[in-house]
Amino acid sequence: GAGVSQSPSNKVTEKGKDVELRCDPISGHTALYWYRQSLGQGLEFLIYFQGNSAPDKSGLPSDRFSAERTGGSVSTLTIQRTQQEDSAVYLCASRQMGGAGASTDTQYFGPGTRLTVL
Amino acid sequence: AQSVTQLGSHVSVSEGALVLLRCNYSSSVPPYLFWYVQYPNQGLQLLLKYTTGATLVKGINGFEAEFKKSETSFHLTKPSAHMSDAAEYFCAVRKTGANNLFFGTGTRLTVIP
Repeated sequence: GAGVSQSPSNKVTEKGKDVELRCDPISGHTALYWYRQSLGQGLEFLIYFQGNSAPDKSGLPSDRFSAERTGGSVSTLTIQRTQQEDSAVYLCASRQMGGAGASTDTQYFGPGTRLTVL
Repeated sequence: AQSVTQLGSHVSVSEGALVLLRCNYSSSVPPYLFWYVQYPNQGLQLLLKYTTGATLVKGINGFEAEFKKSETSFHLTKPSAHMSDAAEYFCAVRKTGANNLFFGTGTRLTVIP
């Protein structure tokens, strides 16, 4: 079946502009994660959605970052007033929750969106 | 606090030689442990994972890793390196009950022909 997809694959924007990054998780996966991969910081957790529960926003670096997940499926990560330090690859992952079996422990990653802020 | 240490940001091996990528974690409770691989311009792909049970875990592409609680380690090995193994490898942990993964800083593997 289809994996996690992300769009756009590349985004170049000017400092101060807002950007939206999209993630389509694997169908049936109720958990969705956003991570950021940057040269200076490695891979960092940003935010986690699980079903209808309140999201875990503990990894968001500032209030310029927000995310939503509509209908328990597609998620959008929004960065307002982008800064050059926001340049990174933004990765989305999904995970099947509940049920028996070790397969529920695995997060499946999308190819990422490379964001460049000029 | 949860942390993952990958010793060596760059590792070079000859084709056919043993691959050993090191990962140590700090946790009072053994977490779930993962190795992911990232090929150039691609996303992360799961190589293998340890949750419970047998401490020697076999993954894809001939890789395996052994969970050693006494050493708080989860080193990744492959008996014979192939050119196609050149990539960046990330060790990650997820503490029981936690939501997200904590990643190491990654090890870039170069395979020399």
